[in-house]
Amino acid sequence: QVQLVQSGGEVKKPGASVKVSCKVSGYTLPELSIHWVRQAPGKGLQWMGGFDPEEGETIYAQKFQGRVTMTEDTSSDTAYMELSSLRSEDTAVYYCAATTAMLRGSWFDPWGQGSLVTVS
Amino acid sequence: QSVLTQPPSVSAAPGQKVTISCSGSSSNIGNYYVSWYQQLPGTAPKLLIYDNNKRPSGIPDRFSGSKSGTSATLGITGLQTGDEADYYCGTWDSSLSAYVFGAGTKVTVL
Repeated sequence: QVQLVQSGGEVKKPGASVKVSCKVSGYTLPELSIHWVRQAPGKGLQWMGGFDPEEGETIYAQKFQGRVTMTEDTSSDTAYMELSSLRSEDTAVYYCAATTAMLRGSWFDPWGQGSLVTVS
Repeated sequence: QSVLTQPPSVSAAPGQKVTISCSGSSSNIGNYYVSWYQQLPGTAPKLLIYDNNKRPSGIPDRFSGSKSGTSATLGITGLQTGDEADYYCGTWDSSLSAYVFGAGTKVTVL
């Protein structure tokens, strides 16, 4: 079964960038679509983007376009999410989540354990 | 402000039933599958229901999902203290070209 293990928490200064990793086991990356969802303290879930197998490309939520880059290293079955120009409002737990469904009918299972990014 | 509307909280006694509504529009729930997630305190979300009403293996049949028009509902029967959590609905939104979540509903077992 699929497991996702994320990198540890990070503290960054405003204006810096952060790169969070998500290691896949039990499946290979090409068999999955990886998405990224964040959750600010005490708030709900916010989808940031992910791989769309119908389009064959990664799509990003408009809110993050220009600031986020999602990449994959198939040799190590690891996905990455890099967010730049960090501001205090980006303080959140960042989750990777996997799916084998098409994006427009999608569900996410499983999820990584989360990586806390603190911007201060 | 989410395009999917959920009640902030619901509560019931142990053994009772709760339902959580998720109201949307034709650009989201009306035309796409809905999934539901359970988030226990301090943990990552977990898939409870996918494709409107299907349960992943390992999810007890106390959890059920349904969809009608532009609304979806999660039902939990035989409520247990371990069900105290936040519950989120999610689906694709074609107007936003984004996957969207409801704001979440906190379930309290009295």
